[in-house]
Amino acid sequence: EIVLTQSPGTLSLSPGERATLSCRASQSVRNNYLYWYQQRPGQAPRVLIYEASRRVTGIPDRFSGSGSGTDFTLSISRLEPEDFAVYYCQQSGISPWTFGQGTKVEVK
Amino acid sequence: EVQLVESGGGLVQPGGSLRLSCVVSGLTFKTYWMAWVRQAPGKGLEYVANINQDGNEKYFADSVQGRFDVSRDNAKNSLYLQMNSLRAEDTAVYYCAKWDFGFDCWGPGTLVTVSS
Repeated sequence: EIVLTQSPGTLSLSPGERATLSCRASQSVRNNYLYWYQQRPGQAPRVLIYEASRRVTGIPDRFSGSGSGTDFTLSISRLEPEDFAVYYCQQSGISPWTFGQGTKVEVK
Repeated sequence: EVQLVESGGGLVQPGGSLRLSCVVSGLTFKTYWMAWVRQAPGKGLEYVANINQDGNEKYFADSVQGRFDVSRDNAKNSLYLQMNSLRAEDTAVYYCAKWDFGFDCWGPGTLVTVSS
């Protein structure tokens, strides 16, 4: 199975700063079928980015995804208070599908 | 409004079995891949299983392969997860999720606790 490794484990930033989250795959993700999710405490996750770089309808444009092959990045241009949460990457290029272990973005 | 509602969670002893259900409304259920995703207390998300529209294509995480089965009843707009030989490490909130461009709809989850 593909192992997704997210870094850093925790990112401590202030509102208005830029966040850069990394997701590295143990092998190439077919067709860049890589997704990013946000999970706030006590809530189910919601998808932000699909196929590495496509923003889901309704997601603010401060969220962007990039990368291909084995290296992917989620960027948040200017952190809003509601963006402090845990973020997961997930791949569907090869079965079984897998998630990364998550990156927590916390208030500095 | 799209709704996914899981049920069937609870306390079960190690080695026991449990069947989870997920009823879906507000969309044409039979046209979507569906999946189960779990989250142990205080931990990250873990993919469990997914199933295609007709129910004849299924995939499982290595951690549950051979113990869990996923099925669906398109006439009842329902997804199921049969869990056998349960272990303490299966303790988690189990989410039902619809797959389209990612897991784009989720239920609130149902808690499964495996303990003696």
